[in-house]
Amino acid sequence: ETGVTQTPRHLVMGMTNKKSLKCEQHLGHNAMYWYKQSAKKPLELMFVYSLEERVENNSVPSRFSPECPNSSHLFLHLHTLQPEDSALYLCASSQELGGGGSDTQYFGPGTRLTVL
Amino acid sequence: GQNIDQPTEMTATEGAIVQINCTYQTSGFNGLFWYQQHAGEAPTFLSYNVLDGLEEKGRFSSFLSRSKGYSYLLLKELQMKDSASYLCAVVDSNYQLIWGAGTKLIIKP
Repeated sequence: ETGVTQTPRHLVMGMTNKKSLKCEQHLGHNAMYWYKQSAKKPLELMFVYSLEERVENNSVPSRFSPECPNSSHLFLHLHTLQPEDSALYLCASSQELGGGGSDTQYFGPGTRLTVL
Repeated sequence: GQNIDQPTEMTATEGAIVQINCTYQTSGFNGLFWYQQHAGEAPTFLSYNVLDGLEEKGRFSSFLSRSKGYSYLLLKELQMKDSASYLCAVVDSNYQLIWGAGTKLIIKP
């Protein structure tokens, strides 16, 4: 499944660096999501976009800044991160936001982030 | 609060059958998903249940009981490639996905 791609796949950064994660979906979907996945924990929803408008921010620290320039692309800008932010960051897309319970989310392979 | 429970880890033998359980307490219910995630890869969709009963899809089946807040994923004729984490997620009344922590399935020859 290559419908959702993410770059880079791996990223190591210092606490003072600024970096960006990129997600692209080729499925013609209208909703896109950023998740954080830490070991042995449930997926944590960070941000939700519908038709390029941010509709949800689950109390994420301001050191994470999302950007959605169009319905196919999603970015996550990172600055002054903490070591506890080290995790797998997953991007997903679905046909519509709130499009009914069966609206399946399709995931990218994730970016493995390590903050030193 | 909302809660999804599934076992942290399970071990099974190649060729056998394994059942991975998921129990949930959520504000409302609009369906339940199962995803498979191999190490270092994207979660991939396996099944969606919204009505009670068993849905069969090849070697994989998923069962739902809404009255019991319970689902299971049944994997038959296990293969080594089935070694992965299996994620249970419930769609709540706001159409948000509530995720379990996942079950790591280890298949032994």
